Amino acid sequence: GQQVMQIPQYQHVQEGEDFTTYCNSSTTLSNIQWYKQRPGGHPVFLIQLVKSGEVKKQKRLTFQFGEAKKNSSLHITATQTTDVGTYFCAGPRRRDDKIIFGKGTRLHILP
Amino acid sequence: SQTIHQWPATLVQPVGSPLSLECTVEGTSNPNLYWYRQAAGRGLQLLFYSVGIGQISSEVPQNLSASRPQDRQFILSSKKLLLSDSGFYLCAWSAIGAPSGNTIYFGEGSWLTVV
Repeated sequence: GQQVMQIPQYQHVQEGEDFTTYCNSSTTLSNIQWYKQRPGGHPVFLIQLVKSGEVKKQKRLTFQFGEAKKNSSLHITATQTTDVGTYFCAGPRRRDDKIIFGKGTRLHILP
Repeated sequence: SQTIHQWPATLVQPVGSPLSLECTVEGTSNPNLYWYRQAAGRGLQLLFYSVGIGQISSEVPQNLSASRPQDRQFILSSKKLLLSDSGFYLCAWSAIGAPSGNTIYFGEGSWLTVV
């Protein structure tokens, strides 16, 4: 069935270093969404990308949607301790538009 | 503004006991409603979704069930819990009729430990 895959599963970075997580879909997506889940919390919507090749920025976070609309990335510049958490990408399932999530990338920040 | 409430926040239940998790959404009408489960350190698994009162779709075979007795109320139940049912359960909603890929808004979750 249709899958959304994320790599890496875990990432440890020193505070101040950059971080990138990658998302790949087995099928073309009409759009892609990113969510952040803080430790012990619930996922919170960050952003949605719709257009092929789209790039959006939120302060130190840069989101990209691939030209083929099958992959996406989230890049964090100069990580801070507040960036700790799990980042999920998600996209609509082709057969019924229900949102399916990747397994997430868990980010640890080393002080 | 829309809000979603989910309870209880945590519970510890013995194997074989029943389960009832409840979720309500306020500030919107006729939402899509979802139950997700997140095992420790794992991704989000869609368990059930509902597009209207009494309309429930199940994603995976299991000993859990869901019901939607009112427009903005979604209940997750089990008659007999298994150890493997332990996890973090998240209720969520999205706007019905929105463009493809509408945003999912999650409740604060319920931590279930089956002992």
